[in-house]
Amino acid sequence: GQNIDQPTEMTATEGAIVQINCTYQTSGFNGLFWYQQHAGEAPTFLSYNVLDGLEEKGRFSSFLSRSKGYSYLLLKELQMKDSASYLCAVRDSNYQLIWGAGTKLIIKP
Amino acid sequence: DVKVTQSSRYLVKRTGEKVFLECVQDMDHENMFWYRQDPGLGLRLIYFSYDVKMKEKGDIPEGYSVSREKKERFSLILESASTNQTSMYLCASSRDGSSSGANVLTFGAGSRLTVL
Repeated sequence: GQNIDQPTEMTATEGAIVQINCTYQTSGFNGLFWYQQHAGEAPTFLSYNVLDGLEEKGRFSSFLSRSKGYSYLLLKELQMKDSASYLCAVRDSNYQLIWGAGTKLIIKP
Repeated sequence: DVKVTQSSRYLVKRTGEKVFLECVQDMDHENMFWYRQDPGLGLRLIYFSYDVKMKEKGDIPEGYSVSREKKERFSLILESASTNQTSMYLCASSRDGSSSGANVLTFGAGSRLTVL
């Protein structure tokens, strides 16, 4: 079966750095996505990785290792507004998205 | 600002009722999707559509149907609502049928349905 694993919940301090991991086992691989979802709101796109390595976008970076079936989302200089759920999704060989259950990130002052 | 609009944010229905969830996008996107989101589970695809009047079953189509009569509108229908359909329903759209590149999903804010 296909599976995406990410931690259920993480807590971090304002101004710090946090890394949210995502491991996957899917039938093929055609890209990995990270979305952010604030409570009661729509998920919004953060990043897309299809090749190994680090993609940096401001305070957020996303890393991919296809050989290890692993990705992480790195959030720097955390702000209170970063409190949200972070969803990892992999596009499989049929170009269908497989979603993780999401990681709820709690930022404390 | 481009958007996907879901007409109802909160609905409460009774078992056996017919339920319509409407979704409209203003981005001229080809693809539209209906997902349900439940605690502890990843998003699960119910139905999707790559073109007007076209529909494809997702992972959990049982108990649902869809309609896409116009490009911008994709409706989800629960013919006879049941309590296990209590959930958050998310509509999304993406640019075109190309499988290359990111082809990012734009989501609506969701419709929270409670079936009593």
